[in-house]
Amino acid sequence: DGGITQSPKYLFRKEGQNVTLSCEQNLNHDAMYWYRQDPGQGLRLIYYSQIVNDFQKGDIAEGYSVSREKKESFPLTVTSAQKNPTAFYLCASNNPGLNSGNTIYFGEGSWLTVV
Amino acid sequence: GQQLNQSPQSMFIQEGEDVSMNCTSSSIFNTWLWYKQEPGEGPVLLIALYKAGELTSNGRLTAQFGITRKDSFLNISASIPSDVGIYFCAGSRLMDSNYQLIWGAGTKLIIKP
Repeated sequence: DGGITQSPKYLFRKEGQNVTLSCEQNLNHDAMYWYRQDPGQGLRLIYYSQIVNDFQKGDIAEGYSVSREKKESFPLTVTSAQKNPTAFYLCASNNPGLNSGNTIYFGEGSWLTVV
Repeated sequence: GQQLNQSPQSMFIQEGEDVSMNCTSSSIFNTWLWYKQEPGEGPVLLIALYKAGELTSNGRLTAQFGITRKDSFLNISASIPSDVGIYFCAGSRLMDSNYQLIWGAGTKLIIKP
């Protein structure tokens, strides 16, 4: 099946721990994104990457880090510096451009809870 | 970050009613996208609009790209229980050589029993 796979679906973090959320896509998309969604809220961009070995901060990058060593993978690390990490995290990907209209496709999300 | 003005924030409707929601902006966009998100899942693309004035249907859903390129609406006809969810609009534009995607805050659709 083609698509975007996020894992784990549910993750619990203790105070002071770093955790990493996985995102893999087999759609051959150049760009990948991480969004955060709080309950009842919209999507906020954390980081995005338009090409391998390059990434840019989104609107709420503080307390997060990413890497893009392979085209199909864009892991997100939630560091201990993120003071309120409990949220639903969504990974997405696309091939930006006029022909595609920047249509973006999402994974199924990962729930992170601080315990 | 910038956000589109999406309204209404929530809707309580009876099954069978038609639904209308819209997104507006002071900026011009090249593409308008409409997504639906069900609880605990990622958003799923419903309709993509690529040209000003374009009217596109997907089953009971119809969306239009505003002629000014600053707005879009989504209509759902004869709503059914499985239409429940949060609907997001997104506008895409080219800025500083990068394609930028701006999101609305969502419209929560609730169907009264």
